Amino acid sequence: EIVMTQSPATLSVSPGERATLSCRASQSVSSNLAWYQQKPGQAPRLLIYGASTRATGIPARFSGSGSGTEFTLTISSLQSEDFAVYYCQQYNNFGPGTKVDIK
Amino acid sequence: QVQLVQSGSELKKPGASVKVSCKASGYTFTSYAMNWVRQAPGQGLEWMGWINTNTGNPTYAQGFTGRFVFSLDTSVSTAYLQISSLKAEDTAVYYCARGLGYCTNGVCLNWFDPWGQGTLVTVSS
Repeated sequence: EIVMTQSPATLSVSPGERATLSCRASQSVSSNLAWYQQKPGQAPRLLIYGASTRATGIPARFSGSGSGTEFTLTISSLQSEDFAVYYCQQYNNFGPGTKVDIK
Repeated sequence: QVQLVQSGSELKKPGASVKVSCKASGYTFTSYAMNWVRQAPGQGLEWMGWINTNTGNPTYAQGFTGRFVFSLDTSVSTAYLQISSLKAEDTAVYYCARGLGYCTNGVCLNWFDPWGQGTLVTVSS
């Protein structure tokens, strides 16, 4: 089974700053990597699939990159509504999440 | 619009059973897989398995065999999760999520979208 890890566990960022979240797979997953955002009390929301394709309605400040075992989600300029937990997913395996909170 | 609407919160005693529903709208129900995902309090996401909405064939992840049953009623575009012999550790939010994906040039991609709003199942005496 492929194991997904995410770093850091918590990222403290000021509004307007750039946030870079990492996801690593224990073996190559090609480009089969999705990212989700989850706010407290809400269901996860798809942000990115295929490692770099933004889902419908997702703002351009969200971008995904990487392939193989190393992936990155970048939020170019954090807005107040972006403070949340972010999960990566490969096939049916989820990472443990990165919490982005206000610095 | 495409959406999944789940049934409301449940409070059950240990040993009881619960059935969570997930009603789909805005798309052809039988054209996409339905996944179930568990989130224990304060924890991450755990994939429970999926059901082929065309054939009704379920696949259960490790740790979700025996007491967990996925089923369908395609006449009302609804998927169900039934959990029997409930334990305190089954307390969690349960999500349904439509499975999407495709294969190209030997690479297969998959993702979940949309998700239901979640159903909190609390098991307590």
